[in-house]
Parts: sequence; C-alpha cells; structure tokens
Amino acid sequence: KQEVTQIPAALSVPEGENLVLNCSFTDSAIYNLQWFRQDPGKGLTSLLLIQSSQREQTSGRLNASLDKSSGRSTLYIAASQPGDSATYLCAVGIYNQGGKLIFGQGTELSVKP
Amino acid sequence: EAQVTQNPRYLITVTGKKLTVTCSQNMNHEYMSWYRQDPGLGLRQIYYSMNVEVTDKGDVPEGYKVSRKEKRNFPLILESPSPNQTSLYFCASSLSPGNYGYTFGSGTRLTVV
Repeated sequence: KQEVTQIPAALSVPEGENLVLNCSFTDSAIYNLQWFRQDPGKGLTSLLLIQSSQREQTSGRLNASLDKSSGRSTLYIAASQPGDSATYLCAVGIYNQGGKLIFGQGTELSVKP
Repeated sequence: EAQVTQNPRYLITVTGKKLTVTCSQNMNHEYMSWYRQDPGLGLRQIYYSMNVEVTDKGDVPEGYKVSRKEKRNFPLILESPSPNQTSLYFCASSLSPGNYGYTFGSGTRLTVV
C-alpha cells in the first residue's frame, strides 16, 4: 500500500531564507507526483507536476525534484517571502487506482517578516 | 478562467436531511473526482469518474452518491448525512490523470449536526 510522508510537519523560517520541503513515498510505481499549496480554509493550488520520467520541474522561485528509485521528492523554495506561508502537500498518482492521488499530510510553512 | 467551481462553500445541515454539493469544470476534462479532508487523516478519495456515465468508488464511498450525466458536472450527493460526514470536501478534475495534473475546487466545508 502506497504511503506518502512529508517531513517536517511544520517549519518556521525568516524571510529571505532558502528552504527545502521533503516528501517520501513507499512504492516507486508512480506515474507522476504533484506539489500543491493550501491556504487556510481554501482550496488546493497546483504548484508543480513531475512526470515519472522527469527528474525536476521549475516555476519561478520553486524547484521540485523527483527520485523514483529512492522514493523521494523535494520542493525547494528560494528567497522565501511571507506570502509563501501556507501548507504544502505532495501527492503521487499511482497505477491501476482510477487516477487516485495519494497525499502526504503536508508541511505547514510560516515565513516570518 | 479555467477552474473547478464548487457550491456551496459552506453548509451547516442536520442529520438525515439530503443535500447535494455541486461541482462544475470549464476545461472539458474527462476525469473528475471527489475528496474529503479531515485532520490527521489527510485527503481521501470518495468517488471518481473517468467520463460521462462512468463512475466508481474511491477509498471512502460509504454514505455518498455521485452522478456524471454531463462532462462538466459531477455532483456529490449525501442522501442521509451523519455527523461523521462533517468535513472539508474538494472536487478535482484532470484532462488525463496519467499525463496531466489535477485542478481542485475551492472546497466545501460541511457541518452535520
């Protein structure tokens, strides 16, 4: 059974710091991995999608990497800003499960001015 | 604007009173799905639909019904809501889960008393 773990559960950093959020999964048979952002009481905003054949994706200050063999993904946020404060979720798409995403519990990020 | 629209955003209801949460997408996506989010349990899939008139159960389908009569709409029906269905619900869609990411709605916070 696929399990997705995100460490740390919470993170507080000063503004301007570069940071890394970690996501690990137990079964490497995934077809993609997606990072989302969730603001309190709001929906999920897709940040980056990495297909299983890719190693990384970049969007602005965000860079996500994927290492299928080790079951790990990282989300790198450069020059963090208070507006980056949110919960970050990673989710893997798994084969033969009707398109279901398996989510981690998320990392709650707080960027202090 | 490409989006998934859920209504209502907030709903308080009483046990046993049938309700419907609507979900509509304007991206011509074939795949749609419902998730619920609960503290400590994360996001779990309720039902999904690969295309019009094709629906199937996710991980936690008990107490819910869905229908997919048109490509754009995928309502979630609670025939007899109970307090354990108090949760934050998300609708999501994708052009093709294996090749594309998911777009999520803003969520519906349901309280059953």
